Amino acid sequence: EDKVVQSPLSLVVHEGDTVTLNCSYEVTNFRSLLWYKQEKKAPTFLFMLTSSGIEKKSGRLSSILDKKELFSILNITATQTGDSAVYLCAEGGGSNYKLTFGKGTLLTVNP
Amino acid sequence: NAGVTQTPKFQVLKTGQSMTLQCAQDMNHNSMYWYRQDPGMGLRLIYYSASEGTTDKGEVPNGYNVSRLNKREFSLRLESAAPSQTAVYFCASAGRVAGSEIQYFGPGTRLLVL
Repeated sequence: EDKVVQSPLSLVVHEGDTVTLNCSYEVTNFRSLLWYKQEKKAPTFLFMLTSSGIEKKSGRLSSILDKKELFSILNITATQTGDSAVYLCAEGGGSNYKLTFGKGTLLTVNP
Repeated sequence: NAGVTQTPKFQVLKTGQSMTLQCAQDMNHNSMYWYRQDPGMGLRLIYYSASEGTTDKGEVPNGYNVSRLNKREFSLRLESAAPSQTAVYFCASAGRVAGSEIQYFGPGTRLLVL
C-alpha cells in the first residue's frame, strides 16, 4: 500500500524565519509528487515534481524531489503571516492517477 | 471560469436522513474525485470517476454512493447519514500534465450529522 508521511506535524515560527517541511513516500509506482497549501478552505495547488522536474521555485517557495531517497522538501524563506496554513504532500502513482495524501504539516507564522 | 463548484456550503442532518452533495467543474477534465477530511486524518478518497460513465471506490466508500451525471457533474449521496459522516467534503477534478495529473479542489461542504 502506498504511503506518504509528512513531518513535522506542526511548526510555529516567527515572521522572517525560513522553514523546511518534509515529505517521505513509499510507493510501488512513482509518477509525481505534489504540494498543496490549505488555509481555512480548499487545498490549492503549489508544485508538481516528477522524474523530469525535480526542482521547482515560485517566489519565496521552493521544492525539491529526491527520487533515490524517496523524499521531498518544501522550503519557505522570509515567512509571512499569510504563509500560515496546512501544507499537504501527495504522491500521484496510484492506479488511474489517484493521489495518496499525507496528513499535512500545520505551519503557524507569528508576527 | 469558476473551476470546481460545490453545493451546499454547509448542511446539518439528523441521523438517518439522506442528502446529495453536488459538484460541477468547467475545466473539461475527465477525472473527478470525492474526498472527506476529518481533523487529524488528512484527505481520504471516497469515490472517483476516471471518465464520464465510470466510477470506482476509493479508501472509504461505505455509506456513500456517487453518480457521474455527465462530464461536468459528479454527485455524492448519503443514503442514511450517521454521526461518523460528520466531516468536510471536497470534490476535485484533475487535468493531465506531463504524464501525471494535478487535482483542483472545490470550496468544500461542511456536513454535521446529529
